[in-house]
Amino acid sequence: AQTVTQSQPEMSVQEAETVTLSCTYDTSESDYYLFWYKQPPSRQMILVIRQEAYKQQNATENRFSVNFQKAAKSFSLKISDSQLGDAAMYFCAYEPSGSRLTFGEGTQLTVNP
Amino acid sequence: AAGVIQSPRHLIKEKRETATLKCYPIPRHDTVYWYQQGPGQDPQFLISFYEKMQSDKGSIPDRFSAQQFSDYHSELNMSSLELGDSALYFCASSSRDRLYNEQFFGPGTRLTVL
Repeated sequence: AQTVTQSQPEMSVQEAETVTLSCTYDTSESDYYLFWYKQPPSRQMILVIRQEAYKQQNATENRFSVNFQKAAKSFSLKISDSQLGDAAMYFCAYEPSGSRLTFGEGTQLTVNP
Repeated sequence: AAGVIQSPRHLIKEKRETATLKCYPIPRHDTVYWYQQGPGQDPQFLISFYEKMQSDKGSIPDRFSAQQFSDYHSELNMSSLELGDSALYFCASSSRDRLYNEQFFGPGTRLTVL
């Protein structure tokens, strides 16, 4: 069974600074997708960034970027120039192609003004 | 752009009652997923449907059943409700023809069992 592990239950960052959230996963599949979802207090699940496993280039979306290390099965999220609105629970998720999402335990991010 | 619609948004039930949660996927999406998120937990996969057929099954209790209808909307039926069923239930939809593999989440139905 696939597992996703987020070893940081809580993280904090100063506004305008950079923070990195960690995620590791375990799978025997070669074709899969990885995602970071943001869940603010409204509890809505918001997609932050996605990575296709077959792509070596790390995905980037504005202030959000990932460090995808396929051999190490590591998928970290870097948030640059942190803003107060970035405060939320962040979930790392794994998906074999066209299948269910398996989530990590989540990391609660606090942004200090 | 149209999003996934879930109804009701909030539901309060007594123990041993039944509940029906509804999900309306994004137009032209052919796959629906149901997830359960307990308090302080990550979402857990329950069940999915592709073209009205069950495509995958996760940790869904036998007291729960679900189906996808001809118009692609889906319903999650929950019977003999227990206190532990109190959770946020998400529906997500996707399209097998999608360019990127992405499940679009609805706002969730918050179920409280008293």
